[in-house]
Amino acid sequence: NAGVTQTPKFQVLKTGQSMTLQCAQDMNHNSMYWYRQDPGMGLRLIYYSASEGTTDKGEVPNGYNVSRLNKREFSLRLESAAPSQTSVYFCASSLLAGPSYEQYFGPGTRLTVT
Amino acid sequence: AQSVTQLDSQVPVFEEAPVELRCNYSSSVSVYLFWYVQYPNQGLQLLLKYLSGSTLVKGINGFEAEFNKSQTSFHLRKPSVHISDTAEYFCAVSDKMGAGGTSYGKLTFGQGTILTVHP
Repeated sequence: NAGVTQTPKFQVLKTGQSMTLQCAQDMNHNSMYWYRQDPGMGLRLIYYSASEGTTDKGEVPNGYNVSRLNKREFSLRLESAAPSQTSVYFCASSLLAGPSYEQYFGPGTRLTVT
Repeated sequence: AQSVTQLDSQVPVFEEAPVELRCNYSSSVSVYLFWYVQYPNQGLQLLLKYLSGSTLVKGINGFEAEFNKSQTSFHLRKPSVHISDTAEYFCAVSDKMGAGGTSYGKLTFGQGTILTVHP
């Protein structure tokens, strides 16, 4: 009964390094999302994938890329990490992309960029 | 464009006391409204949602919220809190229809309210 899983749980990067955050869901959901959470700012949408084969920018896409590898997996890549990308990253999924469909969240990845 | 304001960043309360967490939103269109809870070191979990119909919505763990269209508010209440309710609570809003007539479920979150229940 895994739901949405994310790896890694924690990561420390130096400025300029790259990394990929992995997300997988086992609920046969069509839509997946990446958010970042910063203190006092709530969650902000980075990218989303309404269905397999499609991706679109959210509110704060700069500095990130995504890949919807298959229906289950949606990865987030930082090509050249910056201290401003220090944050907690959450992946979420929903059955469909309509606003009335509940989003299920993973446990998060805490990323520090020094 | 939507925005969500949670009026209190922190709410301390004693166990078994009632609590209200306040949320106001602004949007030029009809919206869906949500409350999520985040326990320490965990992801977000849906508490309740308002889609249509009765303006009083009941959720999990004894929480309820009331949609007030004229005041553009969606305040969360619980008549008697427990220590285990200590968490951060997020109000979120989504347009019923996204840009261009497509609807992709974009949630706009408030800043969060940390509820601390003391014994």
